[in-house]
Amino acid sequence: EAAVTQSPRNKVTVTGGNVTLSCRQTNSHNYMYWYRQDTGHGLRLIHYSYGAGNLQIGDVPDGYKATRTTQEDFFLLLELASPSQTSLYFCASSERLGLGGREQYFGPGTRLTVL
Amino acid sequence: AQKVTQTQTSISVMEKTTVTMDCVYETQDSSYFLFWYKQTASGEIVFLIRQDSYKKENATVGHYSLNFQKPKSSIGLIITATQIEDSAVYFCAMREGQSNYNVLYFGSGTKLTVEP
Repeated sequence: EAAVTQSPRNKVTVTGGNVTLSCRQTNSHNYMYWYRQDTGHGLRLIHYSYGAGNLQIGDVPDGYKATRTTQEDFFLLLELASPSQTSLYFCASSERLGLGGREQYFGPGTRLTVL
Repeated sequence: AQKVTQTQTSISVMEKTTVTMDCVYETQDSSYFLFWYKQTASGEIVFLIRQDSYKKENATVGHYSLNFQKPKSSIGLIITATQIEDSAVYFCAMREGQSNYNVLYFGSGTKLTVEP
């Protein structure tokens, strides 16, 4: 089973602050994803990647950058944080469909509060 | 437009009974995959069960099973003999067959409370 870890688990910052959320997966999965979860919206896709150096834009990308530095590591960057970005953030990974991958495996989440 | 819709925001059942959670989806693809995930009170999101659209047989894993009604674009999750620890938020999700990146579209979730 995929192991996905996230850090920090909780983060408080101020409006305009700079925040980096980290995600690491240790199951050699090709695909990684960043989601935000807000009440009434379920999980919404921010950015995703299929390998180091690759970045794809999701459904709610505004105000977020992301970078995939290695197959294991995927970062989400908020360069000018706003209160509307207060949310619970999840990272996930999955294998390629051609290699039997279908499900996504989730990290434990990071709770971000922007004051 | 919402690709995955869960209209039940919350359900409450008595322990040891059977519950069904509804989900409808929208896709033009002839091949797709449907998933149910569980989010526990601690926030952990766990994959439960999957239905591949080309399979006619409903998927079953432990006390979870699916009611796949392809003509209605519906995939219900059935939990039999519910236990207190089944209390959680359940998400339905869909992966379209044409997706190159295994992107999932999620519903907004149904909160299940199992009462003793």
